[in-house]
Amino acid sequence: AQKITQTQPGMFVQEKEAVTLDCTYDTSDPSYGLFWYKQPSSGEMIFLIYQGSYDQQNATEGRYSLNFQKARKSANLVISASQLGDSAMYFCAMRDLNQFYFGTGTSLTVIP
Amino acid sequence: DTAVSQTPKYLVTQMGNDKSIKCEQNLGHDTMYWYKQDSKKFLKIMFSYNNKELIINETVPNRFSPKSPDKAHLNLHINSLELGDSAVYFCASSPGGNQPQHFGDGTRLSIL
Repeated sequence: AQKITQTQPGMFVQEKEAVTLDCTYDTSDPSYGLFWYKQPSSGEMIFLIYQGSYDQQNATEGRYSLNFQKARKSANLVISASQLGDSAMYFCAMRDLNQFYFGTGTSLTVIP
Repeated sequence: DTAVSQTPKYLVTQMGNDKSIKCEQNLGHDTMYWYKQDSKKFLKIMFSYNNKELIINETVPNRFSPKSPDKAHLNLHINSLELGDSAVYFCASSPGGNQPQHFGDGTRLSIL
């Protein structure tokens, strides 16, 4: 089974609107971390947000929030008030048992 | 100050050659990684070193060999380069626990 699944290869959003990027995960380890990374066209990997498996509240970092639904094993990224600079690839990742796993990514395009 | 730096940024070489990519981190992290990102943007972990000891060795060809002279460095040496080795190679580091990885800017390897 895939450890990290991102089912949206590509997404479009209007500038200033909110968008949700989906991510589901699979692990039997009770202690794990969930991450989102942004990769713009320039190629670097930028860490956005982190959610620990024991965290009671959803993580937020500025316009980014992580909608953590533990029972459903989902960790969706919500970007509010989209900006043109948000156009990029977005990767969901998980760390469990000392190993990292990445999803296949979602390409987000923000339309002016 | 660059946290994770890898050199060179671009590497163009011919099939059959041997090349190395260097990586250094100044974050004091215990674990360093090498990833390969193919043309479809899929990230595959290749190696992980924790305090100079290999803890993950995914099924990569033995032409690839990681070398860690100390905790702050993890170099990647590739022998007998093949066309399929063309990709972007990322170095990353992380502290212990479920903390995020910090990535270098990537090395784009092109095999002629």
